Amino acid sequence: ETGVTQTPRHLVMGMTNKKSLKCEQHLGHNAMYWYKQSAKKPLELMFVYNFKEQTENNSVPSRFSPECPNSSHLFLHLHTLQPEDSALYLCASSQQTSGGDTQYFGPGTRLTVL
Amino acid sequence: TQLLEQSPQFLSIQEGENLTVYCNSSSVFSSLQWYRQEPGEGPVLLVTVVTGGEVKKLKRLTFQFGDARKDSSLHITAAQPGDTGLYLCAGARIKAGNNRKLIWGLGTSLGVNP
Repeated sequence: ETGVTQTPRHLVMGMTNKKSLKCEQHLGHNAMYWYKQSAKKPLELMFVYNFKEQTENNSVPSRFSPECPNSSHLFLHLHTLQPEDSALYLCASSQQTSGGDTQYFGPGTRLTVL
Repeated sequence: TQLLEQSPQFLSIQEGENLTVYCNSSSVFSSLQWYRQEPGEGPVLLVTVVTGGEVKKLKRLTFQFGDARKDSSLHITAAQPGDTGLYLCAGARIKAGNNRKLIWGLGTSLGVNP
């Protein structure tokens, strides 16, 4: 029933590979988010886009490169990753980034870096 | 560093038992949200509490926001196997420009055995 989809659901890649994660929201929202969820750590906000403009980058390494071509689509381009980047990557959307808006999450992409 | 501490970290109970999980912080939040995350899925919002002392009920789940808006509890009555999952709390702080920052806890992993 979620209005946020993510592909692929699982991804295994080597440290020299280049891959992309895709997120699409069907809720008519204007804000989209990338989160990283690792074991024994709280959810880490990586990037925020509002009306296609990046409004937040929480000191994320440059090997992660986001792209937001429109308000419905969000990509995370990956290159030269490290094993410690293995995690569940979650996409979320909300009406806007202002206070009180509910964030709706996708199912996530389980990434393993060998 | 703003932290949200959730306790217990793990909880395994029998069907029909009652339980309470906690979310505590030394910081004041404008609102607090509870999510449930099932294996292989993203977090799903259960409730948002806004007013200090507020109590909200969702079927067998009762949520309370502390008077000082620094802590919250989730009580489940007569737990069922379908309640199994990771329960996450997230406190909201309003930043400049009315944008919201969510502070996430580590979660309580609940298992309900039939």
